[in-house]
Amino acid sequence: QKEVEQDPGPLSVPEGAIVSLNCTYSNSAFQYFMWYRQYSRKGPELLMYTYSSGNKEDGRFTAQVDKSSKYISLFIRDSQPSDSATYLCAAFTGGGNKLTFGTGTQLKVEL
Amino acid sequence: GAGVSQSPSNKVTEKGKDVELRCDPISGHTALYWYRQSLGQGLEFLIYFQGNSAPDKSGLPSDRFSAERTGESVSTLTIQRTQQEDSAVYLCASSLAPGSPETQYFGPGTRLLVL
Repeated sequence: QKEVEQDPGPLSVPEGAIVSLNCTYSNSAFQYFMWYRQYSRKGPELLMYTYSSGNKEDGRFTAQVDKSSKYISLFIRDSQPSDSATYLCAAFTGGGNKLTFGTGTQLKVEL
Repeated sequence: GAGVSQSPSNKVTEKGKDVELRCDPISGHTALYWYRQSLGQGLEFLIYFQGNSAPDKSGLPSDRFSAERTGESVSTLTIQRTQQEDSAVYLCASSLAPGSPETQYFGPGTRLLVL
């Protein structure tokens, strides 16, 4: 079993929809949780990160962590075609030096 | 300044040949990471450098894989006697310091195809 699990999709939604992307993890030592966006043939870019449980909002994006259920979510409001990409969740222990990634969810926002 | 750069952007090689992949981190970033991204596998950690030492090589899949870094600058990932299963995108990232994932920036990757 992977330490971070993520549904690969693909997920297709109409423009303007609210998108919910989710991951689960198994390592209780994870303290930092990240969401990356990766466009085709590009490297991942950091969208948001949170420490421990709670919510964090940045514009149309909200990241949510529930450590009790080991569940990580990213919500995208008013989705746009430019949001079409692969979204990767990642976790970090804080004491280590590597990120552990989910497999990524491919999102397509259609006009 | 520029972000993380990697070269070549694409590499096609024959099974059994050696390949070298290069990463130029962001200036001033002391930590450097190599990851491998295979279809359906997500990003897998390979190796981490702090300066020119590699405290964590735990992700290197076999002894055919090695990496080095000169000072706090360029890093080279070498794959000897390549196999078809080595085909993947190899991503490099750098960060200001270890333990600062929020400052970790990725390069565009090198797409390796082993025929």
